[in-house]
Amino acid sequence: EAGVTQSPTHLIKTRGQQATLRCSPISGHTSVYWYQQALGLGLQFLLWYDEGEERNRGNFPPRFSGRQFPNYSSELNVNALELEDSALYLCASSLEGALRNTEAFFGQGTRLTVV
Amino acid sequence: AQSVTQLGSHVSVSEGALVLLRCNYSSSVPPYLFWYVQYPNQGLQLLLKYTSAATLVKGINGFEAEFKKSETSFHLTKPSAHMSDAAEYFCAVSRGPSGGSYIPTFGRGTSLIVHP
Repeated sequence: EAGVTQSPTHLIKTRGQQATLRCSPISGHTSVYWYQQALGLGLQFLLWYDEGEERNRGNFPPRFSGRQFPNYSSELNVNALELEDSALYLCASSLEGALRNTEAFFGQGTRLTVV
Repeated sequence: AQSVTQLGSHVSVSEGALVLLRCNYSSSVPPYLFWYVQYPNQGLQLLLKYTSAATLVKGINGFEAEFKKSETSFHLTKPSAHMSDAAEYFCAVSRGPSGGSYIPTFGRGTSLIVHP
């Protein structure tokens, strides 16, 4: 069974550009979570999608947005890129909404570098 | 609001020695607690989870953690460290304050260094 897949693995953008990151959850999982992992800051919660709807978002500016498609895959869009957006972006999926007592499965991440 | 504090950004042990990674949480309701491991250039893998059943939880790779409500702690231990345990470890708490949202919150991580 395929795990959570993220693409691209690496992405280099210049300041002011837009970045699009993609995530395919494990088959049968309806919830997708996005996290930003910047150096020394742990995982910061970005967005939670469940059944095609945005259920919650973390303390990030509106230029961080996304969506979930009918097949439960998800996109994260970052507009007007800033240097401090450079980080590893992790996607996770789970069977039920917001983990509850179920495990979240993580992808390998997309390394975004803004120059 | 819920939060997680991991004491020590780096822990260094010798191979064969006890591993102890500390995690304290704050939550207004009984929490669900998790430990994850992240190897270089990889995503996070679940080690173990506590969901209000047994307070001593056994996970993969010989790790275990004990939930202590009085101390609001969920420390991760392993009796004997292996070189392959060198990685970043994250503690996470998940339980919404009003029961409607369970957004998982992660600590900043502890880097485990194992010396031969």
